[in-house]
Amino acid sequence: GAGVSQSPSNKVTEKGKDVELRCDPISGHTALYWYRQSLGQGLEFLIYFQGNSAPDKSGLPSDRFSAERTGGSVSTLTIQRTQQEDSAVYLCASSEGRGPGVKLFFGSGTQLSVL
Amino acid sequence: AQSVTQLGSHVSVSEGALVLLRCNYSSSVPPYLFWYVQYPNQGLQLLLKYTSAATLVKGINGFEAEFKKSETSFHLTKPSAHMSDAAEYFCAVSTGFQKLVFGTGTRLLVSP
Repeated sequence: GAGVSQSPSNKVTEKGKDVELRCDPISGHTALYWYRQSLGQGLEFLIYFQGNSAPDKSGLPSDRFSAERTGGSVSTLTIQRTQQEDSAVYLCASSEGRGPGVKLFFGSGTQLSVL
Repeated sequence: AQSVTQLGSHVSVSEGALVLLRCNYSSSVPPYLFWYVQYPNQGLQLLLKYTSAATLVKGINGFEAEFKKSETSFHLTKPSAHMSDAAEYFCAVSTGFQKLVFGTGTRLLVSP
């Protein structure tokens, strides 16, 4: 696709429900990242995929959070038993290669609100 | 572990004035440094990056940043602010692993 696509753009859920957030990276990008953006907190790294494997999932806050990537393309971030503190913007990014200087391309994010 | 600190959550300038957004980093190895910009309701986009070549890095939209090892700084500047520059700016550092570590962001406000 032309850019990184995320869906839904907004999600309102009730405390305790499960949610799934989807990311469609730029075609051909091998690396995919999930970040969480909370008010006043900046961007918090969650997980990184290279292909379908996740070499670094150190940022996942708890075992309620999980992510998978299939076919080296689409990724899904799942939050089980949502809590109010999970409310944030979840950003997905992809990159064309690996290496510390690589440029990340970000989607517009999913705004998650847990009531 | 690497980290970045952005001084000032908000910076206000008048149109035509100098823009200076501050970023200091902490890293035990030579860092790669980035500035990203986020316009309202959009994802982040790369403004510029430092990867150990020239210490003065020029980016898009007239922005530039200078890497100063002695000061562990990577401040972002633009000589003359435009209304369209109003956005949130994030400094980030990477030291060889895939993940970027971002600062908390600085919101730039530009008044006519």
